[in-house]
Amino acid sequence: GQNIDQPTEMTATEGAIVQINCTYQTSGFNGLFWYQQHAGEAPTFLSYNVLDGLEEKGRFSSFLSRSKGYSYLLLKELQMKDSASYLCAVLGAAGNKLTFGGGTRVLVKP
Amino acid sequence: GAVVSQHPSWVICKSGTSVKIECRSLDFQATTMFWYRQFPKQSLMLMATSNEGSKATYEQGVEKDKFLINHASLTLSTLTVTSAHPEDSSFYICSATDGAETQYFGPGTRLLVL
Repeated sequence: GQNIDQPTEMTATEGAIVQINCTYQTSGFNGLFWYQQHAGEAPTFLSYNVLDGLEEKGRFSSFLSRSKGYSYLLLKELQMKDSASYLCAVLGAAGNKLTFGGGTRVLVKP
Repeated sequence: GAVVSQHPSWVICKSGTSVKIECRSLDFQATTMFWYRQFPKQSLMLMATSNEGSKATYEQGVEKDKFLINHASLTLSTLTVTSAHPEDSSFYICSATDGAETQYFGPGTRLLVL
């Protein structure tokens, strides 16, 4: 089966850094995705990690440790527009199926 | 990046009617499309996987006779909610991939069944 855990909510201040953790136990693994979803909208792609290590893309970075079943998304220099839900999703071994975690709602305060 | 569209974005219907939602990949050929459902404050739940020219694969607990999926071309998949009931009210989102790992999501369709 698939089990993906991430915190439900996080609050941070504009300009600060927030780290969203995701742990997973899955029967197969072909990579881990992070998506951003604003309320009432569809998810937008942020990052894809398939190998261990840190991938940096502008203000957003994503880290993966396959041996620990662990990933995090790091958001730097937070802006008000970063208030959204962040979804961790694991790509299974077969059929390109994504299994999503429950999502982490991030609220950025002035 | 790849663009996926959905139509309609909003639909309100009476209980017992059928609703068709279209999902199109605009600038790439989608070998596989996925249909998800998302209830308020919950995450996305995969309903079915659709490959062009073949029958959709449904996830456990999803009724294939109620949620009809057709993937007639490499750029279009449709989801028909048959005999919709209020409990089918949800946010339906499709995604598409060209065979690579990344799924690109459509803007979603909000269905309200009265």
